[in-house]
Amino acid sequence: KQEVTQIPAALSVPEGENLVLNCSFTDSAIYNLQWFRQDPGKGLTSLLLIQSSQREQTSGRLNASLDKSSGRSTLYIAASQPGDSATYLCAVNTGTASKLTFGTGTRLQVTL
Amino acid sequence: DADVTQTPRNRITKTGKRIMLECSQTKGHDRMYWYRQDPGLGLRLIYYSFDVKDINKGEISDGYSVSRQAQAKFSLSLESAIPNQTALYFCATSEIGLGEQFFGPGTRLTVL
Repeated sequence: KQEVTQIPAALSVPEGENLVLNCSFTDSAIYNLQWFRQDPGKGLTSLLLIQSSQREQTSGRLNASLDKSSGRSTLYIAASQPGDSATYLCAVNTGTASKLTFGTGTRLQVTL
Repeated sequence: DADVTQTPRNRITKTGKRIMLECSQTKGHDRMYWYRQDPGLGLRLIYYSFDVKDINKGEISDGYSVSRQAQAKFSLSLESAIPNQTALYFCATSEIGLGEQFFGPGTRLTVL
């Protein structure tokens, strides 16, 4: 059974810092991996999707990498801003059925 | 207008009542999903549907049923609600191929 772990569970950084969020998964036979952002009481916003054949994806200040063989992905946020404060969720898709297995998230706070 | 909508957004009900949560999408995707989110447990898959005639159980389907009325509509029912079904419920959609999932804003359900 696929298990997804995100470390740390919570993170507080001052504005302007570059930071890395980690995601690990136990079954390397994944179809793709998706990073989401969730604001308190709100839905999930898809940030980046990495297919199993890709090593990384970039969108603006966000860069996600994938190392399938070691079961790891990282989300790099450059020049963090207070508006980046949210919970970041990692989810892996282990089959063509597109069923996602989620981690429990990293709660990020960016302070002024 | 939002691509994936859910109604109601908030609902408080009593133990034993029948509840229906509705999801509509304008993305034209064939695949739709229902998840629930509980603090500390992450999101877990309840049911998923590949098209109107193809409905499948997810990880935690006991106590729930679904109906796919059309390509764009997917409803989740709690036949007899119980307090441990108190959670945040999300609907999601995806298209065949890339597998990227898009989420609705969620329904906060409280069962007293």
